[in-house]
Amino acid sequence: EDQVTQSPEALRLQEGESSSLNCSYTVSGLRGLFWYRQDPGKGPEFLFTLYSAGEEKEKERLKATLTKKESFLHITAPKPEDSATYLCAVEGGGADGLTFGKGTHLIIQP
Amino acid sequence: GAGVSQSPRYKVAKRGQDVALRCDPISGHVSLFWYQQALGQGPEFLTYFQNEAQLDKSGLPSDRFFAERPEGSVSTLKIQRTQQEDSAVYLCASSFYVGITGELFFGEGSRLTVL
Repeated sequence: EDQVTQSPEALRLQEGESSSLNCSYTVSGLRGLFWYRQDPGKGPEFLFTLYSAGEEKEKERLKATLTKKESFLHITAPKPEDSATYLCAVEGGGADGLTFGKGTHLIIQP
Repeated sequence: GAGVSQSPRYKVAKRGQDVALRCDPISGHVSLFWYQQALGQGPEFLTYFQNEAQLDKSGLPSDRFFAERPEGSVSTLKIQRTQQEDSAVYLCASSFYVGITGELFFGEGSRLTVL
């Protein structure tokens, strides 16, 4: 059974204070690892797809990296508008749907 | 509209009532998914359609849950004889792709509260 564990559950940062969110996973035949952003009362919004260890993707202040056991979402010099819940998900070889973690609730204080 | 549309946004049901939740995916999207998200949790997979064919319903929690997509576009998730544990946000997502299912466009969800 595919499993995704995200840490920390919640993170409060000052504006401009860089940090990283962790996503540890176990999956049978990784087809892709995905990062989504979810704002309160909204559906998840797609950010990145990573397919193989060593791969990196960047978008504005966010950079996602992947190893064989975990992924990191690095946030550089965050702004208050980056406050959201960040969800990690994996797609395994035997599944038609994604397996999501519980998310990291990120708060950026001005 | 350009995005995935879900209705109703909010639904309050008495225990034992039947409910129907509608999803209007992005036009031309082949794949459609339903997920259930409990408070403070990540979304959990319920079922997957490729056009009108329901290819995977392994995540449906019980036989009280039923989903259909008869013409390969709009989908309905029906829950019969609702129970309190059914209270959650039901998310619909669609994708242009078949096979690579991760780059999904989600709707805003239907929040179901069962009293």
